[in-house]
Amino acid sequence: QQQVKQSPQSLIVQKGGISIINCAYENTAFDYFPWYQQFPGKGPALLIAIRPDVSEKKEGRFTISFNKSAKQFSLHIMDSQPGDSATYFCAANFNDYKLSFGAGTTVTVRA
Amino acid sequence: GAGVSQSPRYKVAKRGQDVALRCDPISGHVSLFWYQQALGQGPEFLTYFQNEAQLDKSGLPSDRFFAERPEGSVSTLKIQRTQQEDSAVYLCASSPRTGGGTGELFFGEGSRLTVL
Repeated sequence: QQQVKQSPQSLIVQKGGISIINCAYENTAFDYFPWYQQFPGKGPALLIAIRPDVSEKKEGRFTISFNKSAKQFSLHIMDSQPGDSATYFCAANFNDYKLSFGAGTTVTVRA
Repeated sequence: GAGVSQSPRYKVAKRGQDVALRCDPISGHVSLFWYQQALGQGPEFLTYFQNEAQLDKSGLPSDRFFAERPEGSVSTLKIQRTQQEDSAVYLCASSPRTGGGTGELFFGEGSRLTVL
């Protein structure tokens, strides 16, 4: 079963818009929260990651917001571009090596 | 090559056949992982190797699944007597870190297994 719950399952956004993907977890032992991006036929690739002692991390157009008390974190994609169309997975680390992935969000950016 | 290489990319097996999936990690990467990704789902952890030692195989679905990394480099995931529920993409990932979970995992493109 998924230890990390991700929503929405899919979203469509206009070029230049903001995409928001949310994740929630229960296991307070998780201590590392990466986001992976996956294009069709490819393996996932690390996009951005955060640790629970930080509330926000920004890299270019991608921002993670982290709410430790609510056990929730989210990915914001600003100024969405057609090249951002992909499936995004949130994940959480346990035992220093085992990543638990969410079910994924398919993002479609319309030009 | 520069990345993680997996073969075959596609495999069709009849139910009951044995299959072997190969992973060539990035040279020098200590940690190697296998994940199973069902259609429309996120990857699910199968097993973890640190060099040649299999430190965790708790995610392997049944005793029909077996993984090895005898020389600490190339790894093989073997599935015996395949069943339809084994149909999925099998992803291999490597990391230069021991543990690896708190750093970047480098994934291959996966081996898509279809069991008829």
